[in-house]
Amino acid sequence: QVQLVQSGAEVKKPGASVKVSCKASGYTFTSYYVHWVRQAPGQGLEWMGIINPSGGSTSYRQKFQGRVTMTRDTSTSTVYMELSSLRSEDTAVYYCARARIAVYSDLQHWGQGTLVTVSS
Amino acid sequence: DIQMTQSPSTLSASAGDRVTITCRASQNIGSWLAWYQQKPGKAPKVVIYMASSLESGVPSRFSGSGSGTEFTLTISSLQPEDVATYYCQEYISNTFGQGTKLEI
Repeated sequence: QVQLVQSGAEVKKPGASVKVSCKASGYTFTSYYVHWVRQAPGQGLEWMGIINPSGGSTSYRQKFQGRVTMTRDTSTSTVYMELSSLRSEDTAVYYCARARIAVYSDLQHWGQGTLVTVSS
Repeated sequence: DIQMTQSPSTLSASAGDRVTITCRASQNIGSWLAWYQQKPGKAPKVVIYMASSLESGVPSRFSGSGSGTEFTLTISSLQPEDVATYYCQEYISNTFGQGTKLEI
């Protein structure tokens, strides 16, 4: 079955960077886009961006342009999301999610989430 | 970006009630809309995609309708396990609605 397993919780200081991993299994890694979505405590869902694991192309929400980098490693079927210049407002649970089909798609499978806490 | 306006923000109903949640898009999104259910401490789970397609394994009391700019999620007979927060999402620019907290 499709599984997305994310790395563990992180605590970072303001100004630092965090890199969250999402290891995929149970399907052909390069055939489905992967999205990143975050959720601040008690808040709603916020889409951050998308990566095509096949060629590595990415598209980011404008709000995160310049601060977020999404990459993938096809040898390990893992996608990564790195967020830099962290501030307290970046404290959130970060989810990876696999699209059902190609570009315009709902998010059919989700990782368990990774809590990133930004605090001095 | 497309704006998604979801209402109501909180909905309190009784077991067995028919409940409806509405999502309005700021521009025509065709049928590119999904509904997610999120329980506390858990990842979201898709219940409806392409506006009206029921995700496999989701009870048939859930249904979705609409196209263009107006969409609804309906639960025909509310069950205690349906207590959750529900989000709509358009997947042209991937904007989520602000969520509806459903209580019994």
